[in-house]
Amino acid sequence: GEDVEQSLFLSVREGDSSVINCTYTDSSSTYLYWYKQEPGAGLQLLTYIFSNMDMKQDQRLTVLLNKKDKHLSLRIADTQTGDSAIYFCAEKAGTSYDKVIFGPGTSLSVIP
Amino acid sequence: GAGVSQSPSNKVTEKGKDVELRCDPISGHTALYWYRQRLGQGLEFLIYFQGNSAPDKSGLPSDRFSAERTGESVSTLTIQRTQQEDSAVYLCASSLDYEQYFGPGTRLTVT
Repeated sequence: GEDVEQSLFLSVREGDSSVINCTYTDSSSTYLYWYKQEPGAGLQLLTYIFSNMDMKQDQRLTVLLNKKDKHLSLRIADTQTGDSAIYFCAEKAGTSYDKVIFGPGTSLSVIP
Repeated sequence: GAGVSQSPSNKVTEKGKDVELRCDPISGHTALYWYRQRLGQGLEFLIYFQGNSAPDKSGLPSDRFSAERTGESVSTLTIQRTQQEDSAVYLCASSLDYEQYFGPGTRLTVT
């Protein structure tokens, strides 16, 4: 079945780059997502990538996809204290009619 | 426009009681999901509705859990004979294609 794995914690200094990694098992995944959840808040879609892409950049965010290794990463440049949150990787298999499966989340702490 | 809404926002119930949680998706969204998020944990998939297809119930943890959806509108998640381990935030999301929109969640506390 589908499985999405992430490391649970990451700590970086303000101004450094953060890299959050994710691995997934379903080779038929077509959409891969990064969501952000701030304390006490709902889930916010940060960015997504289609499986036929290997990179997507959106301002400070860079998503890299290695489909062969089923590895997804999110790089946040110039990390700020406001980036402290839990980041969830998620994948949707097959078509848009398939369910979305989430990883356990990576808690990012930014040290001033 | 209106987003996904859920009610109640908070629910405290006694162990053994039944609870019903409601989700109002975004109008026109064909897909609706329920997830459970225990304190400090990730999102656990529960059930997925897509249009008129049979729902994917593969994530429901026990037969105490059930969900219904009327057409492409409101969904209710029912938990019978609640247990303390059911305490969590229950999140609903809806989508039309690849992007999910999440509701604020219902925080369920079983005492």
